[in-house]
Amino acid sequence: EAQVTQNPRYLITVTGKKLTVTCSQNMNHEYMSWYRQDPGLGLRQIYYSMNVEVTDKGDVPEGYKVSRKEKRNFPLILESPSPNQTSLYFCASSKTGTASYEQYFGPGTRLTVT
Amino acid sequence: RKEVEQDPGPFNVPEGATVAFNCTYSNSASQSFFWYRQDCRKEPKLLMSVYSSGNEDGRFTAQLNRASQYISLLIRDSKLSDSATYLCVVTSGSARQLTFGSGTQLTVLP
Repeated sequence: EAQVTQNPRYLITVTGKKLTVTCSQNMNHEYMSWYRQDPGLGLRQIYYSMNVEVTDKGDVPEGYKVSRKEKRNFPLILESPSPNQTSLYFCASSKTGTASYEQYFGPGTRLTVT
Repeated sequence: RKEVEQDPGPFNVPEGATVAFNCTYSNSASQSFFWYRQDCRKEPKLLMSVYSSGNEDGRFTAQLNRASQYISLLIRDSKLSDSATYLCVVTSGSARQLTFGSGTQLTVLP
């Protein structure tokens, strides 16, 4: 089944404790991205990757890191999480190296930082 | 000013009604336009792309007005299953990034 998977789905952590949210897609998509969704603000793009080893900042990259060593995986790293990073996170992928095609989203990761 | 603006609603309409949503965008260089649907606490899913000539998919019709920089979505004969949040989505001029509106909430009532 073609899909985007994220892990974990739910995470409660404490301020400053490094964490990684994994994202994997099995559709051989070139474009991958991370979003956070907050009430009243909609989805905001954190980072995106147009292909392996190519990553770039989105609109809200502060406090996050990403890497794209393999085509299928695009982990999101929070080196020192803070309470303002409490949010619902979505990973997405798209077949070409641009954002102009359908985005396939993962099921989301709900993160709480206390 | 937000890059993509939508009326947040909520829109509460009876079954069978016709409802229209509008969205405005600020970047005149934007290349691609979409409507996504998001059910409560679930991931967004593509409803339809929006083309300059307008396009229709069953009960759904999308229109793009580049001169006025707005996008519309028309839902005819609303069903209970249409209840969701509808997200207007626009690419950047380079087509590298997506900007989402904050969504319009629709509830179709029996």
